Amino acid sequence: ILNVEQSPQSLHVQEGDSTNFTCSFPSSNFYALHWYRWETAKSPEALFVMTLNGDEKKKGRISATLNTKEGYSYLYIKGSQPEDSATYLCAFGGLKAAGNKLTFGGGTRVLVKP
Amino acid sequence: KAGVTQTPRYLIKTRGQQVTLSCSPISGHRSVSWYQQTPGQGLQFLFEYFSETQRNKGNFPGRFSGRQFSNSRSEMNVSTLELGDSALYLCASSFGTGGTDTQYFGPGTRLTVL
Repeated sequence: ILNVEQSPQSLHVQEGDSTNFTCSFPSSNFYALHWYRWETAKSPEALFVMTLNGDEKKKGRISATLNTKEGYSYLYIKGSQPEDSATYLCAFGGLKAAGNKLTFGGGTRVLVKP
Repeated sequence: KAGVTQTPRYLIKTRGQQVTLSCSPISGHRSVSWYQQTPGQGLQFLFEYFSETQRNKGNFPGRFSGRQFSNSRSEMNVSTLELGDSALYLCASSFGTGGTDTQYFGPGTRLTVL
């Protein structure tokens, strides 16, 4: 059974502060790591697809890094805004033969306080 | 470009009944994956269809089935509904099935089994 863990489960951030959180995944059979943002009553929104060890991706104030050798990825939010409040999910894709099958972590729920 | 659509958005059924959910992918996308989201289990992979063929299947009983049509639209069926099938069912579409394509999620179908 694949174990994809995200920590912390939730965090409160003051508006303007920066924050980061972790996704841990199996380091063997790694193929891709996906990050999603899921706001209440909306569809999960794709943020990044990461494949290479050392990868860094950026989208606006959100960025992510990837370490496939030790099996973790960090997501960073710089200068948090209330609209960043959402659940952030990572999803592990192992082996190309598995196609688009993703194993999701439990998510990190971020609440940005004005 | 229109996003992924799912119908119906809400469903209420009773135990023992069966249900069919529909997913229309983004135009040009040939892969459709289905996920179940419950409070206790998070997002879990059900199956993926690509070019009308089931590509992968998650760890769900045979009561859960699906199919894909030549226009890439997909349906999933749950027979003999149980209370535990109450969940949000999400579908996601992508162009390819290689695991590194971005998957775009629909808004989901909320199924309640009484």
